Amino acid sequence: GAVVSQHPSWVICKSGTSVKIECRSLDFQATTMFWYRQFPKQSLMLMATSNEGSKATYEQGVEKDKFLINHASLTLSTLTVTSAHPEDSSFYICSARGSGDTEAFFGQGTRLTVV
Amino acid sequence: GQNIDQPTEMTATEGAIVQINCTYQTSGFNGLFWYQQHAGEAPTFLSYNVLDGLEEKGRFSSFLSRSKGYSYLLLKELQMKDSASYLCAVIDSNYQLIWGAGTKLIIKP
Repeated sequence: GAVVSQHPSWVICKSGTSVKIECRSLDFQATTMFWYRQFPKQSLMLMATSNEGSKATYEQGVEKDKFLINHASLTLSTLTVTSAHPEDSSFYICSARGSGDTEAFFGQGTRLTVV
Repeated sequence: GQNIDQPTEMTATEGAIVQINCTYQTSGFNGLFWYQQHAGEAPTFLSYNVLDGLEEKGRFSSFLSRSKGYSYLLLKELQMKDSASYLCAVIDSNYQLIWGAGTKLIIKP
């Protein structure tokens, strides 16, 4: 299957700082990227969907000014958690899908801890 | 509303067979996925069904009945490493992925 690389794998940051997570499709063009958050022992929760060159579509309850998503190229999407707080500590996972494809491929995930 | 149901937790014995069921009610249907997720890791793809019937891939098989809104994942010759959560996800008419809450599978020796 196709490869999606997510970086960093884990990050610890201080409360009030911002953290950027990168998601790259290595061997295909990702026209659509999905960002998920997963709290311990809970299911994946879709945060937003982004199409290359367009503004991201955020799910209800997700603050777009706090979780900035950029999908400027067909191989890279970034999620920036701005002014992070301890309650933002979670497992963030991206997935990418190419044009005409049905399957989305997942990145390795990023475990964010805000202290 | 859209809904996907799967059991919260199942327990099985090493070497045995287990079937994890998934029922769905979604606005349209463009395929169903099964993913495996080990604790602390991202999901990994297991299977994709869009037509009725059984798809076999090694120890894992997945079945779909679109008329019944039903799928199952069958795991044979269970190994300890199969202990994980198994996620059922459906693509709806808008090509959005609708996720089930996952089934935690516990394998006992």
